[in-house]
Parts: sequence; C-alpha cells; structure tokens
Amino acid sequence: DTGVSQNPRHKITKRGQNVTFRCDPISEHNRLYWYRQTLGQGPEFLTYFQNEAQLEKSRLLSDRFSAERPKGSFSTLEIQRTEQGDSAMYLCASGYASGNSNEQFFGPGTRLTVL
Amino acid sequence: SQQGEEDPQALSIQEGENATMNCSYKTSINNLQWYRQNSGRGLVHLILIRSNEREKHSGRLRVTLDTSKKSSSLLITASRAADTASYFCATDGGGSRLTFGEGTQLTVNP
Repeated sequence: DTGVSQNPRHKITKRGQNVTFRCDPISEHNRLYWYRQTLGQGPEFLTYFQNEAQLEKSRLLSDRFSAERPKGSFSTLEIQRTEQGDSAMYLCASGYASGNSNEQFFGPGTRLTVL
Repeated sequence: SQQGEEDPQALSIQEGENATMNCSYKTSINNLQWYRQNSGRGLVHLILIRSNEREKHSGRLRVTLDTSKKSSSLLITASRAADTASYFCATDGGGSRLTFGEGTQLTVNP
C-alpha cells in the first residue's frame, strides 16, 4: 500500500454514460498525476496538478475528459459520453515537487470497462 | 512516441537466478525510475536514479544508468517466485510527466 487510494477499483458502464473516478494522494504530496494504461502497455500520461492548478494536459485528454483538484487534496477524473476505447486502467500517482526529483507513487488504479 | 523501451519483452528464469532488464530512452532526463506491476494491480515504486548517478542499490536490486548511451539496467539478484511481475522504466524527459515503456514481463519459476 503506497498511501495513494483510488475509488472505485472497478467500474463497468455502458457506452455513452458518464463516469467519475476519485484519487486521494499521500497527504503531504503537492503533485497529483493521472495516467491511463491499456492491456500490455505501459502507463500513458494524461494530466497533472501542482496543488490545485492543472499544469499540464496530454493531447490524449480529449474534450470528453476533465480533471479537477479543487482544494489541492483529492482529485476527480470525469469521462463524459464514454466510448469503448476508453476501457483501460486509470492510475493516479502523487509526489512532492523538490528540485529535480520527480518521484511518483501510484495508487491501485480504477479499471474501467465500457460495454 | 515511447521514451523508455524495455528489453527483453519477456524473461523466464529459475528461482535463485539473477534477472537483468534493460531500458533505453531518447531524450535528456533528470532522473529515471523503475516500477514493478503485478498483474492487474497498480505500480510499485522500486528505485529512482538521478542523472548524475551511475549506480544505485536497494536490497536485491541494482540499477545502473549510462546517460551517454541513454540506457539503464535493473538487476534483481537471487530471484524469488514473488518477483514475478512486469517491470517498467520511466523517464521524466526533464519535465514532470513520466514516460513509460511497454515493460518486461519477468517470470520466476519455483
């Protein structure tokens, strides 16, 4: 257990529905990251926050995806109008920005299946 | 495009043997990290090596980094069945996002 928690752990939804995932980072970490991982591949970066500011978004993050970190603590990732191609493991990571250190600790992930 | 590329894609060894996995990357980095992932689970952070370091040890793990060749290796000594997992290297490309390769699937046979 890294101290990063994600809920739910599994989500099955029908195409076209909206889904929301939550990530609770390690409390003293000021950075929070979202990644997506499909079967047999490594994780791919989606977006990250430093405190409550969203500092970077990947072009993988289409208009149907939105992430928030309103109080600089937990974060939510929402996918609107889900598509079958959204089926993946969504991973959250947290870290503390210090110099050039970019150590990131991952949660257990939320596995999304879109039918 | 993928930054980190692990080699081999799959490795099968007997318990007690050493396992070596390699990673190559394309751009300059501040640091490189190795992670382990058991099937269907999240990633476990193993070790971070900074760009000005050449070697780092943690228990049965030994990581080397050659920035001139843009490559790193992860050595697991005296492997155990519990080491069976996928191993990923991740580079930061000088920024905040991590870029992962496709991983090496290690199987340690009892």
